[in-house]
Amino acid sequence: GESVGLHLPTLSVQEGDNSIINCAYSNSASDYFIWYKQESGKGPQFIIDIRSNMDKRQGQRVTVLLNKTVKHLSLQIAATQPGDSAVYFCAENYSGGSNYKLTFGKGTLLTVNP
Amino acid sequence: GAVVSQHPSWVICKSGTSVKIECRSLDFQATTMFWYRQFPKQSLMLMATSNEGSKATYEQGVEKDKFLINHASLTLSTLTVTSAHPEDSSFYICSASHSGNTIYFGEGSWLTVV
Repeated sequence: GESVGLHLPTLSVQEGDNSIINCAYSNSASDYFIWYKQESGKGPQFIIDIRSNMDKRQGQRVTVLLNKTVKHLSLQIAATQPGDSAVYFCAENYSGGSNYKLTFGKGTLLTVNP
Repeated sequence: GAVVSQHPSWVICKSGTSVKIECRSLDFQATTMFWYRQFPKQSLMLMATSNEGSKATYEQGVEKDKFLINHASLTLSTLTVTSAHPEDSSFYICSASHSGNTIYFGEGSWLTVV
């Protein structure tokens, strides 16, 4: 959901480990969710999305899980690599409102140690 | 693939002056674009929704007279920060939706007001 934080949550993992990044969203009516990766000084880069009629979706090395009961979203990255180091944001959208008006979560800084 | 381009990538302006940031969809038409602002180590905050051929819709707390948005064509939206002050220094990011399916973000524009 909408949030402004002074300190980003951080996650530090070893190269090759799996990473799990969590996100709590705010609007129970949201029906479309996206994970973005943002590298320093750059715009957000799309990773994977999921609609509310699904609870799991897999991509290349990434899996998104959606738990609508507790309004929770997670991003799993398999075999994390140094290039995965970035800030990861979840974003939610209610398609019954303005299309593609996204509300971003706080973000999590992922650091991958070689 | 579809690309959203912002210009300039970074700009320094004097306090009290105005600065314009452009957001272009390079190979698709976007009737709606979005402008976000991001402070260091914080999330993206939606400022306004830019609608082609009509007035922008501003989020609560965003001064429409200070942040002028013009969406004169289906491939260009501009954000003008008027009478800029140091507290306006931030990373400004735009996004646009392509074929109603995917949202693309620009690379962002760094504004520093001195």
